[in-house]
Amino acid sequence: QKEVEQDPGPLSVPEGAIVSLNCTYSNSAFQYFMWYRQYSRKGPELLMYTYSSGNKEDGRFTAQVDKSSKYISLFIRDSQPSDSATYLCAMTGNTGRRALTFGSGTRLQVQP
Amino acid sequence: DAGVIQSPRHEVTEMGQEVTLRCKPISGHNSLFWYRQTMMRGLELLIYFNNNVPIDDSGMPEDRFSAKMPNASFSTLKIQPSEPRDSAVYFCASSFTQGPGNTIYFGEGSWLTVV
Repeated sequence: QKEVEQDPGPLSVPEGAIVSLNCTYSNSAFQYFMWYRQYSRKGPELLMYTYSSGNKEDGRFTAQVDKSSKYISLFIRDSQPSDSATYLCAMTGNTGRRALTFGSGTRLQVQP
Repeated sequence: DAGVIQSPRHEVTEMGQEVTLRCKPISGHNSLFWYRQTMMRGLELLIYFNNNVPIDDSGMPEDRFSAKMPNASFSTLKIQPSEPRDSAVYFCASSFTQGPGNTIYFGEGSWLTVV
């Protein structure tokens, strides 16, 4: 079983829809949680970063972390065609191994 | 800032040939990572360096893969001999370990095809 599980999709939604993307993980040592967005033929770029449990909002994007359930989410409000990309969750612990562990990514297509 | 710079962007090579991928991290960053991305396995960490020293190379597939970081502004990933199953996108990334949550910044990737 992978440390981080993410539904690969693809997820297709109409423009303006609310999108929910999710990851589950098994390592209770993870403390930092990130979402990266990757456009086709590009490198991943950091979208959101959250420490421990709670919510964080940035414009149309909201990241949620529930450490008790080992579950993280990214919500996109008023989705736009420009949001079409692959979204990867990533996480790491507080000490020790400092490299990120990534989910496999969810491909999102927002239809105009 | 120019971001993480990788070269070559695209490489097509024959099986058995040596491949060298290059990376220039963001100035001031002291951690450097090499990741490999494939459809089947997603984004996998191959190796990472902290202050030019390899810290974790457990993701390096086998002895055909080697990585070096001779100074803070340059790293190489070498595959010798290359095989078709090495075809993937190889990403270099860097971060500042004193920053929050080890947020790392990726280059555009090196697209490798071994035929």
